[in-house]
Amino acid sequence: SAVISQKPSRDICQRGTSLTIQCQVDSQVTMMFWYRQQPGQSLTLIATANQGSEATYESGFVIDKFPISRPNLTFSTLTVSNMSPEDSSIYLCSVDRGTGANVLTFGAGSRLTVL
Amino acid sequence: GQQVMQIPQYQHVQEGEDFTTYCNSSTTLSNIQWYKQRPGGHPVFLIQLVKSGEVKKQKRLTFQFGEAKKNSSLHITATQTTDVGTYFCAMEYGNKLVFGAGTILRVKS
Repeated sequence: SAVISQKPSRDICQRGTSLTIQCQVDSQVTMMFWYRQQPGQSLTLIATANQGSEATYESGFVIDKFPISRPNLTFSTLTVSNMSPEDSSIYLCSVDRGTGANVLTFGAGSRLTVL
Repeated sequence: GQQVMQIPQYQHVQEGEDFTTYCNSSTTLSNIQWYKQRPGGHPVFLIQLVKSGEVKKQKRLTFQFGEAKKNSSLHITATQTTDVGTYFCAMEYGNKLVFGAGTILRVKS
C-alpha cells in the first residue's frame, strides 16, 4: 500500500493564524481524503481532494475555513484558517490503498494545538 | 446520512480476558471495515468484511458480519497489552468512509 508523509507532525499555533498541512504520497492516487480527529473522538471526514478539480467538502466544513490544494496526483495540502482553540485536533490525510475496495491508508497525522 | 453506532465506548479488561466491540447500522451495508489506532498513532486497516454472515480470523481477532449486513463485531480472545488502542468500524458511503465512534480498549497486566 501507499506510503504517506505528512507534515508537520505537530504544531502549537496562535489564535487567528493559519497553518498549512502537507501530504505527500509515494504513488499516484486519484482521491485523497482529509479527516479531523478531535481529542478523544472519532474520525470525521473534512473533504475529498481530487486532482484537477475543487475539493468536495462534507457538511459542516467550508472552503474558506479549510482550503485544500491538489496540484498533482501525489500531493495535497490542507490549510486550517483563522484558527481558534476549537480547531485543536489531529488532522489526517488518507488515500485509497488501491485494492478496489475503498480501504484507506492514513498518514501519521498532524496534531495541532491552538492557544 | 448513514450512521454506524459502535459500543461500548470504553472497556478496561484484565490481561487474558476477552474483549468484544459491536457496530450497528440502520441500513444494509455493502461491506464493513475495521481499523485499529494505537495510543498516539494513526488508524491502521485491519480487515474488510463483504459477505453476509462472513467470519474472518486474524490470530486472536475474530471479525463477524451479520446475516442482514447491518451489524458487525470484533472479538479478541485472551487480550494482551499489545492490544491496547481504539478500534473503529467504518462503512462506505459513496466514495467515502464513515467511522464509528470507536471503542477504547485498555488492558491491565
